[in-house]
Amino acid sequence: QVQLAESGGGVVQPGRSLRLSCAASGFTFSSYGMHWVRQAPGKGLEWVAVISYDGSNKYYADSVKGRFTISRDNSKNTLYLQMNSLRAEDTAMYFCAKVPGIGLLDAFHIWGQGTMVTVSS
Amino acid sequence: DVQMTQSPSSLSASVGDRVTITCRASQDINSWLAWYQQKAEKAPKSLIYAASSLQSGVPSRFSGSGSGTHFTLTISSLQPEDFATYYCQQYNTYPLTFGGGTKVEIK
Repeated sequence: QVQLAESGGGVVQPGRSLRLSCAASGFTFSSYGMHWVRQAPGKGLEWVAVISYDGSNKYYADSVKGRFTISRDNSKNTLYLQMNSLRAEDTAMYFCAKVPGIGLLDAFHIWGQGTMVTVSS
Repeated sequence: DVQMTQSPSSLSASVGDRVTITCRASQDINSWLAWYQQKAEKAPKSLIYAASSLQSGVPSRFSGSGSGTHFTLTISSLQPEDFATYYCQQYNTYPLTFGGGTKVEIK
C-alpha cells in the first residue's frame, strides 16, 4: 500500500528554521518525482516545490525561492523540505505528494496526511 | 504564471443533483489539468488527471472535460460523501497553480 507520512511540523519563531520530512512506503521511492504543497488555515492549495527522482532537478514557487530547499535521500525513502528564514505567511499545513510517473510535470497521485507549521513569536 | 479561476466558489445542492464546476486557465494548458477533492481537515484526494481521466477507484459519477482554457468537473448524481471542496490544478508549466476551490454544501 502506497503511503506518505509527513513529520517535523511545529511552532517556530519568525526568522528561524525547520525541516520537514516525508517518509514513503509501498513503492519504489527512487523512481518518482516528489512535491511539497501547502495550505494556509482556511485557504486554498499552494504548490511549493518539486524534486526529480534522482534529485538532479528542483523547482520552487517564487514565494519560497531562496529560503526553502527540497531534497531527498533515496536510501532512506525520505523527502525533505528545509525551511529557513520563516515568516508568518509560511504558516500552513504542508503536504508531500507523489506523481504517478517519472516526469515532474504531472498530476499528483498520492498525498500524505500533512504536517502543520505555525510561525509565530 | 498561469492563473486558474474556478466558479462558483461555493454551491448548495441536494443528494441526487447533477453538479458542474468550471475551471478556466489564463492561457492554453492543453489537457494538463487535474481535479482534487478535499474534505474538512483531511488531505486532498486525486480525482481526475489529463482533464478527463479518472484516477483508479474514483466513482464513475465523477467526470471531467475540456481542453485549452476551459474545463469542467461534473458529478452526475451527488452523494452524501461528495460534500467537500474541489480544486482544479494545471500542470502544463511551472509554477504549478491551483484554482481557488469550490465548496459543495448540502442544501
